Amino acid sequence: GQSLEQPSEVTAVEGAIVQINCTYQTSGFYGLSWYQQHDGGAPTFLSYNALDGLEETGRFSSFLSRSDSYGYLLLQELQMKDSASYFCAVGDNQGGKLIFGQGTELSVKP
Amino acid sequence: ETGVTQTPRHLVMGMTNKKSLKCEQHLGHNAMYWYKQSAKKPLELMFVYNFKEQTENNSVPSRFSPECPNSSHLFLHLHTLQPEDSALYLCASSPMEREGPQYGWYFGPGTRLTVT
Repeated sequence: GQSLEQPSEVTAVEGAIVQINCTYQTSGFYGLSWYQQHDGGAPTFLSYNALDGLEETGRFSSFLSRSDSYGYLLLQELQMKDSASYFCAVGDNQGGKLIFGQGTELSVKP
Repeated sequence: ETGVTQTPRHLVMGMTNKKSLKCEQHLGHNAMYWYKQSAKKPLELMFVYNFKEQTENNSVPSRFSPECPNSSHLFLHLHTLQPEDSALYLCASSPMEREGPQYGWYFGPGTRLTVT
C-alpha cells in the first residue's frame, strides 16, 4: 500500500525551531511536498523536494533523503501565526497524484 | 486567496437530497482534483481531471458524480449520501496533471458537508 507517516501533534514556543518528520512508502515517487493548512482554510503549498538535500525558503526549510524515504520540514523563528496543520505529500503516478500524510498539528505557545 | 473558489462553503443535506458542489479557477490550470478531508485522516484523492477528461477515479462510490465542463470549472454532484460522507471537500488545480508537484497544487477553501 501507499502511506505517509508524520507525527500527529507538535508543540513549540515562539522563537524556537521545530522539525516535522515524514516517512513515506509509495509505489512511485515524484517529489515530496509540504502544505500548510490553518483552521477552516485551504491547504497552501510551502515547498517541494525532488532531489536529496535541503531547500530553504525564508524561515522554512525542507529536506529529503530518497534512500531513507524520509523528509522533514524545518520551521525557524516560530511565530504564533505558524500554528496550523502541516501535511507532507508525495507525488505518485508520474506526478499526477498527490498522496498526503495525515497531517501534523503545530501549536506555537507564547 | 489561492485563486480557487468553492461554493457553497457549508452544506447540510439529508440522505435523500441531491446537491452539487462547485469549484472554479481562473489560474489557467488544466488539471483539477477533488479531495475529501475527514477529521484525523489524510486528504483522500477522489477524482482527477486533465484537460476536462477524467483520468482518475479513486474507487469512489457512485453516489458521488463529478463533472468537468471546461478546464476552469469542476462540479461534484451528490445524491443519497450517508452520514459517514460528512467531511470537508476540497477542490484543487495544477498547471497540468503531470507537471504539478513542483509548482504546488492550488486548493480552494473547501465545502464543509454535513449529512443528516
